[in-house]
Amino acid sequence: DTGVSQNPRHKITKRGQNVTFRCDPISEHNRLYWYRQTLGQGPEFLTYFQNEAQLEKSRLLSDRFSAERPKGSFSTLEIQRTEQGDSAMYLCASSSQSREKLFFGSGTQLSVL
Amino acid sequence: DAKTTQPPSMDCAEGRAANLPCNHSTISGNEYVYWYRQIHSQGPQYIIHGLKNNETNEMASLIITEDRKSSTLILPHATLRDTAVYYCIFSGNTGKLIFGQGTTLQVKP
Repeated sequence: DTGVSQNPRHKITKRGQNVTFRCDPISEHNRLYWYRQTLGQGPEFLTYFQNEAQLEKSRLLSDRFSAERPKGSFSTLEIQRTEQGDSAMYLCASSSQSREKLFFGSGTQLSVL
Repeated sequence: DAKTTQPPSMDCAEGRAANLPCNHSTISGNEYVYWYRQIHSQGPQYIIHGLKNNETNEMASLIITEDRKSSTLILPHATLRDTAVYYCIFSGNTGKLIFGQGTTLQVKP
């Protein structure tokens, strides 16, 4: 069990730049979730996929955010024209089916200067 | 969105049982109660979940009241490594978890 892998672990960027994060879920897990967490707060749901289909997006996910999961395997989360308010930990999780436990990655810490 | 109520912080002596309460009065019949914890700088870690009956695994026990409006997570013999933020969540068919603020448990020697 290699667990959920997220890359990079840390990303520092300047305001206005685009960034992309990658998540590799546990093999054969068909559900994949993205969360965002700021200091002192619980993780906030952003979006989730079942296989390659994006089934739900939070209203927190503005037009600058886009997530994909081609072929139902790894997923990417892109933020365009980053803002300082985007600074947060971005967490990915996967599960084998609904009602099953989620396995979380260690996250990508984004700092926008 | 689903919402639970937990005390913001609790202390527990090392070796003693830690009992973490949670209110989820708006839970519906097909929604499960989940507990996760998060140690600083790591992703949340699953602990246990249940629907109606009490559950026990190698990490903890979950006691759910008969009306299902509240639950208690029990760590039978807390260690310093159990110091973390504990989240109580209820969730339905989507598997989507809506996290609250959680309870910060400090285990003291």
